[in-house]
Amino acid sequence: AQKVTQAQTEISVVEKEDVTLDCVYETRDTTYYLFWYKQPPSGELVFLIRRNSFDEQNEISGRYSWNFQKSTSSFNFTITASQVVDSAVYFCALSEADTGANSKLTFGKGITLSVRP
Amino acid sequence: GAGVSQSPSNKVTEKGKDVELRCDPISGHTALYWYRQSLGQGLEFLIYFQGNSAPDKSGLPSDRFSAERTGGSVSTLTIQRTQQEDSAVYLCASSLSGTGPYEQYFGPGTRLTVT
Repeated sequence: AQKVTQAQTEISVVEKEDVTLDCVYETRDTTYYLFWYKQPPSGELVFLIRRNSFDEQNEISGRYSWNFQKSTSSFNFTITASQVVDSAVYFCALSEADTGANSKLTFGKGITLSVRP
Repeated sequence: GAGVSQSPSNKVTEKGKDVELRCDPISGHTALYWYRQSLGQGLEFLIYFQGNSAPDKSGLPSDRFSAERTGGSVSTLTIQRTQQEDSAVYLCASSLSGTGPYEQYFGPGTRLTVT
């Protein structure tokens, strides 16, 4: 069965600090997809990134970067120079679906990030 | 363009009553999902619709829960004889479908409170 573990529950940093959110996953499939979503105080989940299991290249998008390591089954998310607007709950999720099948997401419990001015 | 919309945004109901929650997916998205978010259980998958195929109901917690999707677009989640443990935020998401799972776009959710 698939599982996503976000061991950190709450993180508090001061603005401009870098912060890394950890995500460890379990799956028996060789083909799978990993996601990160952000849930700001307004409540609506916002898609951040999708990564498939065959692409281990790290990705950078502005202040956000993701480190995917199959050897440790991890897909960590780093925010550089954090800002108050980054305060939110961040979810890591896994989908084992193949083409046309149910792509349901298995979510971790989420990490509450608070960025203080 | 318009995102996923859900109604009502909040619903308070008495234990034992039936409720209906509505989801309007993004136009052109053939896949539709319902999830539930609660403090104790986190985010849980409930049901999945894809085109005209039979839905995947494997996440529904009991037979009091059902859902339908009419005309491949709007979906309704129905909870019969509501219980206090049904209190949660019910989230709907939609996505394109094709090669590999596409990202899912979520609605704002319906907060259900059963008193």
